[in-house]
Amino acid sequence: GAGVSQTPSNKVTEKGKYVELRCDPISGHTALYWYRQSLGQGPEFLIYFQGTGAADDSGLPNDRFFAVRPEGSVSTLKIQRTERGDSAVYLCASSLLGSQNTGELFFGEGSRLTVL
Amino acid sequence: KNEVEQSPQNLTAQEGEFITINCSYSVGISALHWLQQHPGGGIVSLFMLSSGKKKHGRLIATINIQEKHSSLHITASHPRDSAVYICAPLGLTYNTDKLIFGTGTRLQVFP
Repeated sequence: GAGVSQTPSNKVTEKGKYVELRCDPISGHTALYWYRQSLGQGPEFLIYFQGTGAADDSGLPNDRFFAVRPEGSVSTLKIQRTERGDSAVYLCASSLLGSQNTGELFFGEGSRLTVL
Repeated sequence: KNEVEQSPQNLTAQEGEFITINCSYSVGISALHWLQQHPGGGIVSLFMLSSGKKKHGRLIATINIQEKHSSLHITASHPRDSAVYICAPLGLTYNTDKLIFGTGTRLQVFP
């Protein structure tokens, strides 16, 4: 596709349920980032992939959060036993090599997660 | 203390005014992004810079790595510039590209 695609765009779930959020980066982009943004706040780093491996997962808030990128393209962010505090917009971004090298970062429109 | 401080947090201007948004950070970095986020959430990368100044249309970004400070300027502001502007330094941690985001500056330009 032409840009970074995130699905679903909106997800409403109940407390305690399992959720998967998908990010399809720009073709050929090796770097992929997950952020989450709560209302009125700036994006908060979650995890960064370079290829298939998680280069930095220091932003994942706890072990309920996990992300994979098995073939180095599409990534899935998985949230187990969702809590109301997980409600946020989850943003994905991709870059050709890494933002330090190319200078350009492309963001998806985000997946809005609401936990009731 | 936040690693990234932006000022002002909110800014209103009349069309045509010159706008300055400031960003100070405490971590060691090699580069910094300025991002624009419109209502509805889409984020667009405006600049990445590691030294000096970059210009794109009516937007100018400057950075002083030694002083840990960057500014974004908008000349001849227009209502369509209304958005949240986010400063995101590239904090090198264990050689990874970890962007650290500021909380943003909400700009409203009135006609």
